[in-house]
Amino acid sequence: ETGVTQTPRHLVMGMTNKKSLKCEQHLGHNAMYWYKQSAKKPLELMFVYSLEERVENNSVPSRFSPECPNSSHLFLHLHTLQPEDSALYLCASSQVEGDYNEQFFGPGTRLTVL
Amino acid sequence: GQNIDQPTEMTATEGAIVQINCTYQTSGFNGLFWYQQHAGEAPTFLSYNVLDGLEEKGRFSSFLSRSKGYSYLLLKELQMKDSASYLCAVLDSNYQLIWGAGTKLIIKP
Repeated sequence: ETGVTQTPRHLVMGMTNKKSLKCEQHLGHNAMYWYKQSAKKPLELMFVYSLEERVENNSVPSRFSPECPNSSHLFLHLHTLQPEDSALYLCASSQVEGDYNEQFFGPGTRLTVL
Repeated sequence: GQNIDQPTEMTATEGAIVQINCTYQTSGFNGLFWYQQHAGEAPTFLSYNVLDGLEEKGRFSSFLSRSKGYSYLLLKELQMKDSASYLCAVLDSNYQLIWGAGTKLIIKP
């Protein structure tokens, strides 16, 4: 248990659906992240929120829309996804102080787009 | 471009020692992390190196050479529960983590 929870753990959706992924951190951290993990590929950073402000977008398609209502919660809203978006979506949090940035990960949401 | 290279898969025997290598080319360097990820689970922190040399933590050790852009993770007295993927990540000049694709370690009895 890392102190970062994600729901749902598994999600199957059609290309016309709208769904949201939820992440909650109980560690008092000041930064939260969304990553995409595809098989045999490096973790892809999608979004970063620091002190509830988005600081990184990394050219993610607009069909992914993040929301960070407070420092403990992070959402990823999904709409009109493509089959190639099927992957494991990981949320992470960290306390950014100086140079050190150890990230704590949630268990991920396994997303399948039909 | 930024690049992290590590072997895709390695196999080792229970009780033995294994070394997982990681080479990197990044825009700046502010530290290197190793994470362990069991199948279907979250990555968990193993080690952090920012200075050259060896950091030892129980059965696991991590080594860094900044001049060579090279690190390794050394696992001793291997146990079946060490079967997992091991992810190397570098903190670049913008303090963003650049990730390798991970090394899947298979432990055989």
